[in-house]
Amino acid sequence: ETGVTQSPTHLIKTRGQQVTLRCSSQSGHNTVSWYQQALGQGPQFIFQYYREEENGRGNFPPRFSGLQFPNYSSELNVNALELDDSALYLCASSLAGARVTEKLFFGSGTQLSVL
Amino acid sequence: EDQVTQSPEALRLQEGESSSLNCSYTVSGLRGLFWYRQDPGKGPEFLFTLYSAGEEKEKERLKATLTKKESFLHITAPKPEDSATYLCAVTGGYQKVTFGTGTKLQVIP
Repeated sequence: ETGVTQSPTHLIKTRGQQVTLRCSSQSGHNTVSWYQQALGQGPQFIFQYYREEENGRGNFPPRFSGLQFPNYSSELNVNALELDDSALYLCASSLAGARVTEKLFFGSGTQLSVL
Repeated sequence: EDQVTQSPEALRLQEGESSSLNCSYTVSGLRGLFWYRQDPGKGPEFLFTLYSAGEEKEKERLKATLTKKESFLHITAPKPEDSATYLCAVTGGYQKVTFGTGTKLQVIP
């Protein structure tokens, strides 16, 4: 059984650029969520994908978007990067239906620095 | 809006010195309260899910309990390898899981 893998592990971008982060879910998991974790803070919910559709969204602007593919891998895209976007981005997979969120299995994250 | 408050922010214990971490929460219709452990540079690692007041779960030196307003993570005779940030989170049964800011635990040999 493979765990959740994320790439890249670290990334440096400049303000105004666009970035794509990738996630491979744990085998058999049909739901993926993305979280942003600023230094010293807890993870904040960005959105969730279930069966390739966005299934819920936190308080993040539309320049944060995502995709889930038929093999349940996922991407997080951020346009027009701002300095405050610097954070650890975590992908979490779970085996869940459309409503109840069970325990999450997290990857090690992508550390994004925006200069 | 769901809220999770954890205390203390940081805790320093001697090896073997038992203590408790607190998690206060407000959520509309609790469907699950979670405890996670996070090591530096890593994603959170699942520890427990609690569903209803009065429920308790144990794993090695850790025991989690739940009331209608709070959860406690009791650490008995901690070891240096228990040093980590412990995160509490809640869900109202929809897609969003709301996390607290965590308690950073350091266990000194």
